[in-house]
Amino acid sequence: DAGVIQSPRHEVTEMGQEVTLRCKPISGHNSLFWYRQTMMRGLELLIYFNNNVPIDDSGMPEDRFSAKMPNASFSTLKIQPSEPRDSAVYFCATRGGAGEKLLFGSGTQLSVL
Amino acid sequence: GQQLNQSPQSMFIQEGEDVSMNCTSSSIFNTWLWYKQEPGEGPVLLIALYKAGELTSNGRLTAQFGITRKDSFLNISASIPSDVGIYFCAATGNQFYFGTGTSLTVIP
Repeated sequence: DAGVIQSPRHEVTEMGQEVTLRCKPISGHNSLFWYRQTMMRGLELLIYFNNNVPIDDSGMPEDRFSAKMPNASFSTLKIQPSEPRDSAVYFCATRGGAGEKLLFGSGTQLSVL
Repeated sequence: GQQLNQSPQSMFIQEGEDVSMNCTSSSIFNTWLWYKQEPGEGPVLLIALYKAGELTSNGRLTAQFGITRKDSFLNISASIPSDVGIYFCAATGNQFYFGTGTSLTVIP
């Protein structure tokens, strides 16, 4: 299995631009989580889905952030408009299979200038 | 938000020494997990624990699920330079909660 696949690995954009981060979960994993990691705040849960349905989005910072999971094999996290304080590493993680372990992608390093 | 207290925050040790770190919580959890994160990568799962009292090893790593279900520890024996990284505990009920991480530096 290829694991959780995120794209892009790095994104540099200017303030005000729209940013879309993508995630392909491990096949058969039915829960998907989006995390943001910064030095100051560590790992923060933004939103998670169960069977493609958003369950808890209380961690989404504000209306500029939105996430979708149109099917079991794809999810997006969108920031519009982006701001410098959104600069962070964004991780997608999925859970499923034996033991229900949470497995992470390699992350997207986002820099908003 | 986070409910796990992880310590120590950082460790600087000599190669060959043993390492111990732990996580505590005021809440009871069903599963404890330990991850390692290296620069530029996502956290990688090291050990998963599912039962109170469970002691599990993965090579030089040993982790235990506390009897009260409110804590867990991770030990690394005979550390080597490639053990360098940030170690996170995580625990789960309905969702996953993460500790703040232990940064490990191994001096050759």
